[in-house]
Amino acid sequence: DGGITQSPKYLFRKEGQNVTLSCEQNLNHDAMYWYRQDPGQGLRLIYYSQIVNDFQKGDIAEGYSVSREKKESFPLTVTSAQKNPTAFYLCASSTSRTEAYEQYFGPGTRLTVT
Amino acid sequence: DAKTTQPPSMDCAEGRAANLPCNHSTISGNEYVYWYRQIHSQGPQYIIHGLKNNETNEMASLIITEDRKSSTLILPHATLRDTAVYYCIVRVPPYSGGGADGLTFGKGTHLIIQP
Repeated sequence: DGGITQSPKYLFRKEGQNVTLSCEQNLNHDAMYWYRQDPGQGLRLIYYSQIVNDFQKGDIAEGYSVSREKKESFPLTVTSAQKNPTAFYLCASSTSRTEAYEQYFGPGTRLTVT
Repeated sequence: DAKTTQPPSMDCAEGRAANLPCNHSTISGNEYVYWYRQIHSQGPQYIIHGLKNNETNEMASLIITEDRKSSTLILPHATLRDTAVYYCIVRVPPYSGGGADGLTFGKGTHLIIQP
């Protein structure tokens, strides 16, 4: 089955620790995205990547870092510099080759930092 | 991207048509209207998109007014599984010259299907 996988589904960390969230896609999509969602709110863009070895900051990139060494993978690191890391994190991918430009989302990782 | 306005919540009886409105009065000529939905604790799911003509697929219909300042998403026979937050998004797709940056999600409409 083609799709996006995120692991783990739930993640718990102590304050001050960096943590890396995994995102893998087998849709052969060029673009990948990371969003953050807080309770009762819409999604906010953290980082996005249109091509391997290139990525851009989104609206709330501070305290986060990413890499795009392979087309299939776009891991997100939540650093200790992120003031409020507890949130629901969603990864997505898309292709610019269709008019629809729909983004396909993974199931998300719920991060809790205490 | 143009701003969109949606009611925060709506109810609909199971089996009836659910009509979700979206206002996008500042939409520009090359911006498309997209609809996504998010079932609780899952990733959003693409539903449908359109430019100026009405569109229909297996999930829903999209009605865009002639002046393109508003649209309505129609779920023809709502089921309990359609309970979700529905997001209306306006943007220029990369295919038409827009950037491949992220989508801007507002708070959407929480649609509750009543049994």
